[in-house]
Parts: sequence; C-alpha cells; structure tokens
Amino acid sequence: KAGVTQTPRYLIKTRGQQVTLSCSPISGHRSVSWYQQTPGQGLQFLFEYFSETQRNKGNFPGRFSGRQFSNSRSEMNVSTLELGDSALYLCASSPGGSGGAGPTETQYFGPGTRLLVL
Amino acid sequence: AQTVTQSQPEMSVQEAETVTLSCTYDTSESDYYLFWYKQPPSRQMILVIRQEAYKQQNATENRFSVNFQKAAKSFSLKISDSQLGDAAMYFCAYRRRGSQGNLIFGKGTKLSVKP
Repeated sequence: KAGVTQTPRYLIKTRGQQVTLSCSPISGHRSVSWYQQTPGQGLQFLFEYFSETQRNKGNFPGRFSGRQFSNSRSEMNVSTLELGDSALYLCASSPGGSGGAGPTETQYFGPGTRLLVL
Repeated sequence: AQTVTQSQPEMSVQEAETVTLSCTYDTSESDYYLFWYKQPPSRQMILVIRQEAYKQQNATENRFSVNFQKAAKSFSLKISDSQLGDAAMYFCAYRRRGSQGNLIFGKGTKLSVKP
C-alpha cells in the first residue's frame, strides 16, 4: 500500500496570506489527524477528522481549520498567516472507527509540509 | 492534562552497543496507548513500537523493546545492536483510549550512533 502523502512538500508565504495543505491517507484509512511541529513547541495536535467530521480539536486559534472529503483526503487551511506559523505540518492516518479505540488506531505519518512564513 | 517527558535531549551510542531512551508520562487515565516514533533527519516519522496499557507484557519489535512500568508511569525504549541507521530523533507519545487522534508527544531525544 502507498503511504500517507502530503502536498506540497514546501511552501513559502508572507504574513497575512492564507495557505491550504493537502493530505491523502493510506488506502482504506478513514481517520486523518494533523500536527504542527516546531523547534520550540515540539509536536502539537491540531485536529482529527473521520468520515468528513471533525471529531477532536487541539488548542489552536480559529485561523487553523480543516476538512475531509468523502474519499478521506483531508485539507487544512491557515488564514492570516503569522510568522509563528512557520512549521512542519504533519498529517497522520489510521483506520479509524471503534470510537478511536483499539490497537488498530496506530497513526502513520506522512512526510510533512514545511511552511515558511516571511 | 496528560504530559509526556523525555529527559534526555541527546544521547549517543557506539555501533553494535545497546542504548536506552527514557520516557515518563503523567495521566489519571487507566486505559491508554504508548508509542515510540523515530524521525530521521529530513525524513518521515515512522512507528517503532506500540504498547497497550492493559498489557503487562512488554512489547518487542526485533532489536527494539520497551520497559513499561505502569505504576511508575515510565516507558523506556531499548535499542539493541545499534546500527548507523538508528540515528534519528525519537519521540515518545501517549494517547488515551477513545481519544480520536490527539497523540501527545514528548520533546524528543536525538540519538547519535558512532561507527
């Protein structure tokens, strides 16, 4: 099976712009989670989607949003970019279901999108 | 709130030797999962090993094994016969059973392997 793919791999934006990142999960996986990775804050959970519904959300401002399509592909959007949004954005997929429980809920990560905000 | 602590920012090991990476966590939950992920430089994060809290037996995957001490809330990773390809950032992560997504990560340990 192909792994988790993320596009684009690199992005440069300026403050105030918005950006959309895309994630395609492993075939058959229905849950997609997003994480932000920075040197200072480490890895932080943004949100999780399952069957086109956001099931869980981390502690990020409303500028960060996401959605999931019927084929389980997911996008995240960051509006009004700030310098502090520069980070590696990681997407992870898992089979989903079981209310998020069960040993099959291991998350598999994509290569990430590196966003630089100038 | 749950937290994960990795007290060793950097570690070094000689090729073919054994190294242990430490991880402690804080939770009031009794049912959860613990993970070790490896992130090589500029490469994808991959799962190394997983442990279910309800299982007393320590998980093992080839050269990788864990020492899970539930009462002490400790979850260390032992790498035996270290190889150059083991050089990476290692992240310990926690997820409460029933929590969708929401892996809570430690800050990571950078492991260097000397030839």
